[in-house]
Amino acid sequence: DIQMTQSPSSLSASVGDRVTITCRASQGISNSLAWYQQKPGKAPKLLLYAASRLESGVPSRFSGSGSGTDYSLTISNLQPEDFAAYYCQQYYSAPFTFGQGTKLEIK
Amino acid sequence: QVQLVQSGAEVKKPGASVKVSCTASGYMFSSYGISWVRQAPGQGLEWMGLISGYNGNTHYAEKLQGRLTMTTDTATRTAYMELRSLRSDDTAVYYCARKGLNTFDYWGQGTLVTVSS
Repeated sequence: DIQMTQSPSSLSASVGDRVTITCRASQGISNSLAWYQQKPGKAPKLLLYAASRLESGVPSRFSGSGSGTDYSLTISNLQPEDFAAYYCQQYYSAPFTFGQGTKLEIK
Repeated sequence: QVQLVQSGAEVKKPGASVKVSCTASGYMFSSYGISWVRQAPGQGLEWMGLISGYNGNTHYAEKLQGRLTMTTDTATRTAYMELRSLRSDDTAVYYCARKGLNTFDYWGQGTLVTVSS
């Protein structure tokens, strides 16, 4: 199974800041990586897929990069609605494992 | 528009079984798979398995093999997840999600399953 190591587990930031969350796979996943946002009591929402492709309707302040085993999600100009939990997920091979999650909180 | 609507909350005793449904609309059901993901209280997301909307082929997470069955009814565009021999650590919100060429693009609203004596 491919293990996904996501960091940090929590992050404090202010409105307008730029933050980066990273995810490392235990083996190469050929950019088969997605990022999700989850707000309390809600289902996860797909933000990016194929490491860097923005899902329709997602603001351009969200961006993704990476290759091989190392990937990152960057949120520029943080908005109040961005404070939530974020998860990476590999879909290169089943089981389609998730990272442990990052809770983004307001400073 | 694409929608996945799940059945309501369940309370079960240890050792019992639960069956959660996920009814799809707004897309060609047979062209996409359905995955099930669960989230224990205050915890992260755990992928449980995947079923093909085309031929019903399944792939289950190893830790749930033997207790988990996923099925589909193409006539009603509904996917089902049945988990048997429930334990307290199966208490979680269970989500269905549409799996396309890439990853999970649409999700159900979630179903809380509580296992308690």
